[in-house]
Amino acid sequence: AQKVTQAQTEISVVEKEDVTLDCVYETRDTTYYLFWYKQPPSGELVFLIRRNSFDEQNEISGRYSWNFQKSTSSFNFTITASQVVDSAVYFCALSETNSGNTPLVFGKGTRLSVIA
Amino acid sequence: NAGVMQNPRHLVRRRGQEARLRCSPMKGHSHVYWYRQLPEEGLKFMVYLQKENIIDESGMPKERFSAEFPKEGPSILRIQQVVRGDSAAYFCASSPKLYTEAFFGQGTRLTVV
Repeated sequence: AQKVTQAQTEISVVEKEDVTLDCVYETRDTTYYLFWYKQPPSGELVFLIRRNSFDEQNEISGRYSWNFQKSTSSFNFTITASQVVDSAVYFCALSETNSGNTPLVFGKGTRLSVIA
Repeated sequence: NAGVMQNPRHLVRRRGQEARLRCSPMKGHSHVYWYRQLPEEGLKFMVYLQKENIIDESGMPKERFSAEFPKEGPSILRIQQVVRGDSAAYFCASSPKLYTEAFFGQGTRLTVV
C-alpha cells in the first residue's frame, strides 16, 4: 500500500536561512509520481512540482529545489534564503500507476514558519 | 483560464441537514477528485470522477455521502444528515489527464453546528 511520511510536523526558521522539508514514501509500484503542494494561511493548495519515478534528476526553480533519491525513497524539498511569504504548510504526495487509477495520497504536511 | 472554482467557500449546517458542495473544474479538465482535510491533518482522498462516471469512490463513506459529475454543470459532493464529525475542509481538484498535476480549488469549509 502506498504511504507518504512527513516526519517534521513543524519547523521554524529565521528569514534568509535555508530549510529542508523531508518526505519519505512507500510504494510497491515501479512507476509512480511524486508531488509537492503548498498551503498558505489563506487555505488554497498550490501545486509546486511533479516528478516521475524514472527521473531522478534534481530540480531547481528559483529558491526552491528538490532532491529525489530512489535508493532511500525520499523526495526532499529545500527552500534557500527563506522568506516570510514561504510560511505555509507543505504537503508531499504520491500517485501510483502500475495498479490502476490511484489518485494522490498525501502526507500529513509540515508547517513552516519563517520569522522576520 | 479560470482555476478550479468551488462554492460556497464557507458552509454552515445544523446537524441533520444536507450539505451540497460544488466544484467547477478548469476548462478542458475531465478528471475531478474530492479530498477532505480535517484540522491539522493532511488531505484524504474521497472520490475520483470523470464525466458522468465514478471511477474510484474507495475513500468515501458508504452512507450519507455521494458524488456526481454530470455531463453539463459542476461536480457535486452531497452529504446527507450531516453530523459534527463532517466538519472539515473539502477540496476539489481537476486534471486534464490522470497523473498529470492536479490543480486544487480553494476548498469549502463545512461547519456543522
